[in-house]
Amino acid sequence: DAGVTQSPTHLIKTRGQQVTLRCSPKSGHDTVSWYQQALGQGPQFIFQYYEEEERQRGNFPDRFSGHQFPNYSSELNVNALLLGDSALYLCASSGDTEPYNSPLHFGNGTRLTVT
Amino acid sequence: QQPVQSPQAVILREGEDAVINCSSSKALYSVHWYRQKHGEAPVFLMILLKGGEQKGHDKISASFNEKKQQSSLYLTASQLSYSGTYFCGTEISGGKLIFGQGTELSVKP
Repeated sequence: DAGVTQSPTHLIKTRGQQVTLRCSPKSGHDTVSWYQQALGQGPQFIFQYYEEEERQRGNFPDRFSGHQFPNYSSELNVNALLLGDSALYLCASSGDTEPYNSPLHFGNGTRLTVT
Repeated sequence: QQPVQSPQAVILREGEDAVINCSSSKALYSVHWYRQKHGEAPVFLMILLKGGEQKGHDKISASFNEKKQQSSLYLTASQLSYSGTYFCGTEISGGKLIFGQGTELSVKP
């Protein structure tokens, strides 16, 4: 039973560039959430996708956008990268049968460094 | 909106007990607890729901005071494997889980 997989594992970009991160949810899960985790901090909620729609969004600028595909996989896109976007980006999937009590299953993350 | 966790860090000897607290200023649908080891993904421990239902790890217990919007995680007879950073996540609206800043737990032999 494959868990949540993310790619790539590490990425180095230059300020102003654009980046796309990818996530495949755990088998049987249909909801994907994205989090940004700075060093020593808790994960910060970016947004959540369900049925190919953005269902919830955190306090992140429009430079952060996403997409969910019919097979439930998801992408996170960040435009016009800033140094402050350097962080670990975590994808988490969950089943949506009971939205208020579904554990999140996290991937190992993508470490993004912006120089 | 971010829940507040206390303490920020705790050091234990094997076999000792610890309590980690999580407090929110908002009414909550549920509280989640996760543990993250260095360089790894957060791992689910427990969900506590309004009405008292709990789901999660057999060897870890927790409480949820709905009126005070507070939750506590109880780690008893700690083992070396309990070391890591513990995060509470509070669910204010459907599916949006907001995490606290974390509590770093170190268990020494």
